Amino acid sequence: GQQLNQSPQSMFIQEGEDVSMNCTSSSIFNTWLWYKQDPGEGPVLLIALYKAGELTSNGRLTAQFGITRKDSFLNISASIPSDVGIYFCAGVSNSNSGYALNFGKGTSLLVTP
Amino acid sequence: DTGVSQDPRHKITKRGQNVTFRCDPISEHNRLYWYRQTLGQGPEFLTYFQNEAQLEKSRLLSDRFSAERPKGSFSTLEIQRTEQGDSAMYLCASSSSDTQYFGPGTRLTVL
Repeated sequence: GQQLNQSPQSMFIQEGEDVSMNCTSSSIFNTWLWYKQDPGEGPVLLIALYKAGELTSNGRLTAQFGITRKDSFLNISASIPSDVGIYFCAGVSNSNSGYALNFGKGTSLLVTP
Repeated sequence: DTGVSQDPRHKITKRGQNVTFRCDPISEHNRLYWYRQTLGQGPEFLTYFQNEAQLEKSRLLSDRFSAERPKGSFSTLEIQRTEQGDSAMYLCASSSSDTQYFGPGTRLTVL
């Protein structure tokens, strides 16, 4: 599958700070998805983006689908300790097998009280 | 329906043994996917079904891996003659569109 580059690899922040992470690809995607994964659990869907330029919010989370369709970012505002986890971006392209997801390697977020 | 479920959550086996994992998707979802996730990596696509038809299996890691979805509802993933390198989290997801919802995964440890 296509390689997604996700950055930063890890972040260590204080409670209340805002967080920004992004994902880039050399290939075009038709859908971008952002997931959060806790240790020993499956990824949980946070936000789904379906159109280039789309900006979508889910509570304190905001994500955008890049105009070039090759990138996306996720922002978390006013972080809290339960935001700790690994955040994955995933892209879907028309060439994929039945909309199989291509994942980045994740951004590990640590939040100190 | 509370979401995708997987069984067992954990499996420890000895090298050379066969293992089978089960996935129950969200009931109205016609697509079902299997992924493998190793430490420090994102999930890696293995195979997918639309209803009972397995429409992509070229990404299965070897011929020791096979999957079925006989009635278009639950699915099983079998690994024959397990190797230590098969140790990983095996994730199932289901969807009716581009958006996939994941189960909690089965953690396989091969000794």
